[in-house]
Amino acid sequence: KAGVTQTPRYLIKTRGQQVTLSCSPISGHRSVSWYQQTPGQGLQFLFEYFSETQRNKGNFPGRFSGRQFSNSRSEMNVSTLELGDSALYLCASSLGPRVGVYEQYFGPGTRLTVT
Amino acid sequence: GENVEQHPSTLSVQEGDSAVIKCTYSDSASNYFPWYKQELGKRPQLIIDIRSNVGEKKDQRIAVTLNKTAKHFSLHITETQPEDSAVYFCAPYPPGNNRLAFGKGNQVVVIP
Repeated sequence: KAGVTQTPRYLIKTRGQQVTLSCSPISGHRSVSWYQQTPGQGLQFLFEYFSETQRNKGNFPGRFSGRQFSNSRSEMNVSTLELGDSALYLCASSLGPRVGVYEQYFGPGTRLTVT
Repeated sequence: GENVEQHPSTLSVQEGDSAVIKCTYSDSASNYFPWYKQELGKRPQLIIDIRSNVGEKKDQRIAVTLNKTAKHFSLHITETQPEDSAVYFCAPYPPGNNRLAFGKGNQVVVIP
């Protein structure tokens, strides 16, 4: 079975621009979560989608948004990019939303650099 | 929200020795305690987890122990090998938040 894939893998943007990142979950997985990883900060939760509905949202500004499509693929969008948005963005998929019941499988991440 | 701390931030061990890293959490309602391993340039992967009704779980060279009273759980790696060098994240799960609360990670370096 193919793993979680994310595109693009690397991205360089300028302050003020917007960006869209894509995540394709493992086949059959319906839950997708997004995390931001920065050096020394661990993984900070952005949001979770299940069956095209946002079930949970972390403490990020409204510039960060996402959606999920009927095939469970998910996108996240960041508008008006700031230098501090430079990070590795990871998505994780699982069969369902129940933490501890369904294991999360991470994608390779998208490395976003804002200049 | 859940406050998670991992100590030590960096641990260096000689190959063959044991390594122990600790995760302290604040929410007493947390009931699921996983450890993730992230090698340099790679994605995090679940390596072991434990539930609140179990005190210890082993899987070959790794084990996790839970102390619910003190609100901490630890990852034990025996007979360390160079491939154990990685950042290890704990992510206790408080049901009220409905999401994993990742710590900032422990860097483990195994010296050959």
